[in-house]
Amino acid sequence: QKEVEQDPGPLSVPEGAIVSLNCTYSNSAFQYFMWYRQYSRKGPELLMYTYSSGNKEDGRFTAQVDKSSKYISLFIRDSQPSDSATYLCAMRGNTGGFKTIFGAGTRLFVKA
Amino acid sequence: DVKVTQSSRYLVKRTGEKVFLECVQDMDHENMFWYRQDPGLGLRLIYFSYDVKMKEKGDIPEGYSVSREKKERFSLILESASTNQTSMYLCASSPVNSPSYNEQFFGPGTRLTVL
Repeated sequence: QKEVEQDPGPLSVPEGAIVSLNCTYSNSAFQYFMWYRQYSRKGPELLMYTYSSGNKEDGRFTAQVDKSSKYISLFIRDSQPSDSATYLCAMRGNTGGFKTIFGAGTRLFVKA
Repeated sequence: DVKVTQSSRYLVKRTGEKVFLECVQDMDHENMFWYRQDPGLGLRLIYFSYDVKMKEKGDIPEGYSVSREKKERFSLILESASTNQTSMYLCASSPVNSPSYNEQFFGPGTRLTVL
């Protein structure tokens, strides 16, 4: 079983739709939860991060963590064609070291 | 802006060739990483380095080696390329005093095809 599971999609939505992207994980030691966005032919870039459980909002993006269910989500409101990209969840624990575990990424298409 | 550059965007090599992938970052970051990215498997860590001449194995180091002679440069070496090493290779860096979520800054990737 992978430590982090993410549906690879593709997910295709019309412009203006609310998008929900999700990951599940198995390691209860994870404390930091990140979402990276990767445009075609580019490297991933950090979009948002949260620490432990709860919600975090940044403009049209909301990250949600439910540690009891080991489930994290990224919501995109009023989706735009420019949001078309691959979204990778990532997580790490609170102890020292450099290990970040990435999900496989969900490919999102927002149609104009 | 942090900039991580990789020497080639696309590379085609033959089985058995020695392959060098170069990565340079310009933000004086201590930590550098090499990942490979394959559909359905996500990013898998090959090697990382937290200082010059220091290296640590990641999850899939077999068939790879690395070199870090200067702080800004981290090289990935495929000693004898094989077809199962056809992949997208991503280099990343992060500062040692990064917040605990440890944002990593990625290069654009090198798509390697081994024939």
